[in-house]
Amino acid sequence: GAVVSQHPSRVICKSGTSVKIECRSLDFQATTMFWYRQFPKKSLMLMATSNEGSKATYEQGVEKDKFLINHASLTLSTLTVTSAHPEDSSFYICSARDVQGLSNQPQHFGDGTRLSIL
Amino acid sequence: QKEVEQNSGPLSVPEGAIASLNCTYSDRGSQSFFWYRQYSGKSPELIMSIYSNGDKEDGRFTAQLNKASQYVSLLIRDSQPSDSATYLCAVVGAGGYNKLIFGAGTRLAVHP
Repeated sequence: GAVVSQHPSRVICKSGTSVKIECRSLDFQATTMFWYRQFPKKSLMLMATSNEGSKATYEQGVEKDKFLINHASLTLSTLTVTSAHPEDSSFYICSARDVQGLSNQPQHFGDGTRLSIL
Repeated sequence: QKEVEQNSGPLSVPEGAIASLNCTYSDRGSQSFFWYRQYSGKSPELIMSIYSNGDKEDGRFTAQLNKASQYVSLLIRDSQPSDSATYLCAVVGAGGYNKLIFGAGTRLAVHP
């Protein structure tokens, strides 16, 4: 159980393109999903917390107009990197926690999306 | 002071030995602690969760928590080359939504 599917796994595109990444909880419902980015040999950095039916909460220093988050259902959250530039190239990972579990239950991670902007 | 600290390693152990990974955290109010394993180029995978002081065992893995010392550790018995990965310590931070605060990770190398 607790499977999180993330798509696509890899994106290579030109500078200025907008890229959408989907995160789905397959066998559970998630009121809250989380979006991280990770640079090579660095730890995960939380970008934003995605809340079903409401606006996402962004971490300090993360541009909300650059990284658009939509959490329209209990099983799907999307991250759109708008007008991507080479500095946005990174490994983006989503996670989710079962809404029926206790609030301290672990997060389960998707497989990540490697984004490369040329 | 970083909220969750880990030695970056690499920690090199021979196959069959016990690998000991350590983590300290700064928020004394933290109640939930997790160890994740991350292979190169992959996303984190949950290994252990621990919420109470003491030891928690699951197969070859043992998590240890000492809230008074703000210290959590992970022991891997009978280490295998397939255990070679980066191990991330994560603590649920203060505030809403129970956000995870990650350490920088310890790279473990198990050599035959």
